[in-house]
Amino acid sequence: AQSVTQLDSQVPVFEEAPVELRCNYSSSVSVYLFWYVQYPNQGLQLLLKYLSGSTLVKGINGFEAEFNKSQTSFHLRKPSVHISDTAEYFCAVSEDYAGNMLTFGGGTRLMVKP
Amino acid sequence: NAGVMQNPRHLVRRRGQEARLRCSPMKGHSHVYWYRQLPEEGLKFMVYLQKENIIDESGMPKERFSAEFPKEGPSILRIQQVVRGDSAAYFCASSPDQPPDTQYFGPGTRLTVL
Repeated sequence: AQSVTQLDSQVPVFEEAPVELRCNYSSSVSVYLFWYVQYPNQGLQLLLKYLSGSTLVKGINGFEAEFNKSQTSFHLRKPSVHISDTAEYFCAVSEDYAGNMLTFGGGTRLMVKP
Repeated sequence: NAGVMQNPRHLVRRRGQEARLRCSPMKGHSHVYWYRQLPEEGLKFMVYLQKENIIDESGMPKERFSAEFPKEGPSILRIQQVVRGDSAAYFCASSPDQPPDTQYFGPGTRLTVL
């Protein structure tokens, strides 16, 4: 069975500061990793995904994430956040290349303050 | 190409009533997934369907919940005799058959049970 842990339920940060949202997973097989963002009262939007190849993945809105197999982590980073980045961020894993049967972490609420 | 459509966006039911949630996948997508998000929690997988088939329902409660994806028309998640604990946001996602791809989420249906 696979599981995802997002250690920080809330991350407050000032505008233009860097941010890192942590994600650790456990699985007995190879996994594929995803980050989704959820704005208030909306569905989830895919930020980025790691399927294979380079461990540094770049996504939309200036976000990037690095897959670290030895530490079973897939932390999300952005060098300079904006007020509009305020949202809930979910890390997810799948044992299927197509991202079927996603297992989600509990989410991290990013709160960007002016 | 319209995104994943869900309706209604908000649904209020009294205890004991039935709730029907609809999901129209993106054009060309033959895979549908339902997830439930309880307040202050991450998304939990419920069921995975392809046209006319349930592929995996390991996340579905054993009673009162059912899902279908008929040959024609939207996918339906049906909750019979709703209870207050069913209050949640229900998200549908779809993915194409070829090529394999990640899931695209709808805006969700927020069910409130009075």
